[in-house]
Amino acid sequence: DTAVSQTPKYLVTQMGNDKSIKCEQNLGHDTMYWYKQDSKKFLKIMFSYNNKELIINETVPNRFSPKSPDKAHLNLHINSLELGDSAVYFCASSPPGRGHEQYFGPGTRLTVT
Amino acid sequence: AQKVTQAQTEISVVEKEDVTLDCVYETRDTTYYLFWYKQPPSGELVFLIRRNSFDEQNEISGRYSWNFQKSTSSFNFTITASQVVDSAVYFCALSVTTDSWGKFQFGAGTQVVVTP
Repeated sequence: DTAVSQTPKYLVTQMGNDKSIKCEQNLGHDTMYWYKQDSKKFLKIMFSYNNKELIINETVPNRFSPKSPDKAHLNLHINSLELGDSAVYFCASSPPGRGHEQYFGPGTRLTVT
Repeated sequence: AQKVTQAQTEISVVEKEDVTLDCVYETRDTTYYLFWYKQPPSGELVFLIRRNSFDEQNEISGRYSWNFQKSTSSFNFTITASQVVDSAVYFCALSVTTDSWGKFQFGAGTQVVVTP
């Protein structure tokens, strides 16, 4: 059974479009995260939600908007896509009180043309 | 602020050679966690080890071993008798956590290339 899943796995789109990436976890965790891995493989945290509340918001353009409809889901919506948004986006989750135990999803490779 | 430095960008070895990956970290917190992840060409992040700041015991798991030294703020990783399947990017990471969340700070990664 998949613990942290992301859809889609690959996403190719044109500049200026709006797209969403979905993340779901079936582990009963209450905290979820989005990380971005750029073309140089550098991984950086973008957002975190705890019990549907935004708790980490790094320096990310406001074209990126996370949405957490419930504790098991954290979606990432990106408006007006730019070439520099091309990256692999990883979702992760952690159990209550154990933020150091993060379970990562398989990643979504976004390519903006 | 937290920082993780992996000074080695790429290491190339021939199969069966040992390879050591360096990781140096910076944090002012006394409680923190250190990690190593493997990212094979398929792209997923594979968890290898987690260590908390109070446990300086070295660890061995099969061909993998880790050396944690708080005195030098280092958490190095050695692959013994490397195999082609070890070819991947390896990330060291540091996390300082609160009761509800953890913020991972990753190093830049070290590409390991193992040739037959």
